[in-house]
Amino acid sequence: NAGVTQTPKFRILKIGQSMTLQCTQDMNHNYMYWYRQDPGMGLKLIYYSVGAGITDKGEVPNGYNVSRSTTEDFPLRLELAAPSQTSVYFCASSYHGGGYNEQFFGPGTRLTVL
Amino acid sequence: TQLLEQSPQFLSIQEGENLTVYCNSSSVFSSLQWYRQEPGEGPVLLVTVVTGGEVKKLKRLTFQFGDARKDSSLHITAAQTGDTGLYLCAGAGGIYGGSQGNLIFGKGTKLSVKP
Repeated sequence: NAGVTQTPKFRILKIGQSMTLQCTQDMNHNYMYWYRQDPGMGLKLIYYSVGAGITDKGEVPNGYNVSRSTTEDFPLRLELAAPSQTSVYFCASSYHGGGYNEQFFGPGTRLTVL
Repeated sequence: TQLLEQSPQFLSIQEGENLTVYCNSSSVFSSLQWYRQEPGEGPVLLVTVVTGGEVKKLKRLTFQFGDARKDSSLHITAAQTGDTGLYLCAGAGGIYGGSQGNLIFGKGTKLSVKP
């Protein structure tokens, strides 16, 4: 049982490049989330999904896109990378939504945009 | 606007000392969670508190949810070097949580316990 896995672990992008951050969970969780964590700023929700085929915006969605074609996978797409997108990105999943259920986090992807 | 204020932002103590960190808000939450994050890893859930006034204990860690469900505290007794990490509180079910009750995170308290 691997939990939540993320790839890559590190990536450097040039301004204007695109990339996809991969996230997979093997716990059969319905809910999946993408957060970004900037130094001293806590976690900000980018997008979330309540099940395959259903996604919705979080607090900071601009510059990102997501898709959820399967229960297991929830990739995050960055189009036209900008220095403001330099951050650590975490994917998480939970069986139910709301605040009563544990969110399981992946190890993160550290992205630098130069 | 930071909906969940955590204090202190940084805390450096010696092994064996006691400490308390705080998580405060002007909003009411239906539940509040505490996570610990170690360097280079994702956050890991420590506890969820739901009822106003609730106290939960996890070995040397004591968590309390305020009576009005707007604030919470984490008290560590006889801190150990293994307690070092970033402690994050996260509220759910408040007016800013959205229809799905998504979590709103504080900025965290960075704790360093020295031997």
